[in-house]
Amino acid sequence: AQSVTQPDIHITVSEGASLELRCNYSYGATPYLFWYVQSPGQGLQLLLKYFSGDTLVQGIKGFEAEFKRSQSSFNLRKPSVHWSDAAEYFCAVVFYNNNDMRFGAGTRLTVKP
Amino acid sequence: ETGVTQTPRHLVMGMTNKKSLKCEQHLGHNAMYWYKQSAKKPLELMFVYNFKEQTENNSVPSRFSPECPNSSHLFLHLHTLQPEDSALYLCASSQELIGQGYDEQYFGPGTRLTVT
Repeated sequence: AQSVTQPDIHITVSEGASLELRCNYSYGATPYLFWYVQSPGQGLQLLLKYFSGDTLVQGIKGFEAEFKRSQSSFNLRKPSVHWSDAAEYFCAVVFYNNNDMRFGAGTRLTVKP
Repeated sequence: ETGVTQTPRHLVMGMTNKKSLKCEQHLGHNAMYWYKQSAKKPLELMFVYNFKEQTENNSVPSRFSPECPNSSHLFLHLHTLQPEDSALYLCASSQELIGQGYDEQYFGPGTRLTVT
């Protein structure tokens, strides 16, 4: 079955520390991959996306993600977290010719001062 | 207004009420979507419209009735809801139907629905 997993429900990091949020998918072919961020009371904002080509993609707000086909993963990273990065982060996948965007359950990020 | 807007932002309704949620996109997109976001659950795709035609209905109960009069507007009509329908309802749009090309979805801020 097609699925996307975010293993970490909640992560706490100190401001200025590095961050990695994990995302794994289950599917035979390479899907399109996305990371979205949601602040409280807001909709989802796209951070970055991967369709093909270079497996390291750069996004907004200093985020990047790396697609690893062998691990079926698309982990999100940021070298230095800011307090304003506290939010919920969602990994999403779309399988080619399937009109369904599947979301992970989300990872809530808390940033300590 | 820019992007995707949703009204109202908050709605409280009784189980016997009838209400509607409205979504408008100002991006010139052709596809629009309704999602349900419940606490501690992944976003659930409810309906998909492409060029005003419904292409997807993910086994949504009939108490939710979508309407797409044109490519810019999407409604979700609600009647005889249950308390478990309380959630954040998100609208999204994309230039092409998601999965058909190199496209992404743009989301509105959502309507927080509480059914009492």
